[in-house]
Amino acid sequence: AAGVIQSPRHLIKEKRETATLKCYPIPRHDTVYWYQQGPGQDPQFLISFYEKMQSDKGSIPDRFSAQQFSDYHSELNMSSLELGDSALYFCASSARGPGYEKLFFGSGTQLSVL
Amino acid sequence: AQTVTQSQPEMSVQEAETVTLSCTYDTSENNYYLFWYKQPPSRQMILVIRQEAYKQQNATENRFSVNFQKAAKSFSLKISDSQLGDTAMYFCAFMPNNAGNMLTFGGGTRLMVKP
Repeated sequence: AAGVIQSPRHLIKEKRETATLKCYPIPRHDTVYWYQQGPGQDPQFLISFYEKMQSDKGSIPDRFSAQQFSDYHSELNMSSLELGDSALYFCASSARGPGYEKLFFGSGTQLSVL
Repeated sequence: AQTVTQSQPEMSVQEAETVTLSCTYDTSENNYYLFWYKQPPSRQMILVIRQEAYKQQNATENRFSVNFQKAAKSFSLKISDSQLGDTAMYFCAFMPNNAGNMLTFGGGTRLMVKP
């Protein structure tokens, strides 16, 4: 079965650079979520989208923005990167209806800011 | 706001034995979901089991079962017949039953299954 696809798997950036992370949800899933997991920490909710509209917002810095496109894929744009942004970034998806609460996670993008 | 607490940072168990991971949570919500996620060394986040708060019956998925005590706000995970592949970080997570679907995770328990 198709899973959530994230790209790239690994990304290395310098301070003050920008980064774009991509997420392709499971086919027919209409909701996408972004989570950030710092080293040795639990995942923290950043933002979510339903039907291409922002649904909820968590602890996402103003330097970050995200959107969901017409094909339901989502991109997380990160600017003015800081050392503290180094983390594993997860994307998850789910589908409205029975079982909506079951989030399926991708393998994550490991971002390292040097 | 909800909080999820996992009081066991690390645990170990012998292969084929049973282990129980603890989780407590705090919420003013009455309707919600609870989850256990597994994160192996590959760092993929894998759903192990989920419980709906309005259901009194404890959820079971093969070797994995939960002990859900709503009044005590407790949600423990029991792994029976532990296997080497169960070695992973286990996260307990809470989700209120509203349109948001936002997960709040506990700090995790690192489980090592020893041969």
